[in-house]
Amino acid sequence: DIQMTQTPSSMPASLGERVTISCRASQDISNYLNWYQQKPDGTIKPLIYYTSNLQSGVPSRFSGSGSGTDYSLTISSLEPEDFAMYYCQQYDISPRTFGGGTRLDLK
Amino acid sequence: EVKLVESGGGLVQPGRSLKLSCAASGFSFNDYWMGWVRQAPGKGLEWIGEINQDSSTINYTPSLKDKFTISRDNAQNTLYLQMSKLGSEDTAIYYCTRARSRIMDAWGQGASVTVSS
Repeated sequence: DIQMTQTPSSMPASLGERVTISCRASQDISNYLNWYQQKPDGTIKPLIYYTSNLQSGVPSRFSGSGSGTDYSLTISSLEPEDFAMYYCQQYDISPRTFGGGTRLDLK
Repeated sequence: EVKLVESGGGLVQPGRSLKLSCAASGFSFNDYWMGWVRQAPGKGLEWIGEINQDSSTINYTPSLKDKFTISRDNAQNTLYLQMSKLGSEDTAIYYCTRARSRIMDAWGQGASVTVSS
């Protein structure tokens, strides 16, 4: 199985701040890297697919980048609704493993 | 509007079986891969598996392959997850998902399963 390592596991941040979450795969995943957001009520929303493509309706303050084994999610200016859990997932090979998650908290 | 609604969750005794259903609406169900993801209390997301449009390909995470079975009924627009030999480690919220362009682009609200005597 491909292991996905997300860092940090939690991150305090302020409104308007720029933040970056990292995700490292145990092998090359050919850019098949997705990002999801989970709100405290459990609702899960897809944000980005294939490294850098925004899902429909996702604000442009979200962006993704990376290649090979190293990927990142950046939020350019935090809004109140962005404080949530974030997960990366590789979709290159089954099983489609997730990272351990990053909790974005209000500082 | 795309909707995925899970049902069939609840309290089940260790060693017993349980079958979850996911009713899909708002899209052409038989055009999509579907899948299941779970989340144990206080833990991260765990991918369970996926099934293609005509059920000819079903993939599982290896540790669950012998306990869980994914199936679908395209005539009923319903996805299923049959779980057997349940243990406390299977206590989780189970999410039904739709997959498109190699992303799980729609998620249900989840069904809660508690394994306890």
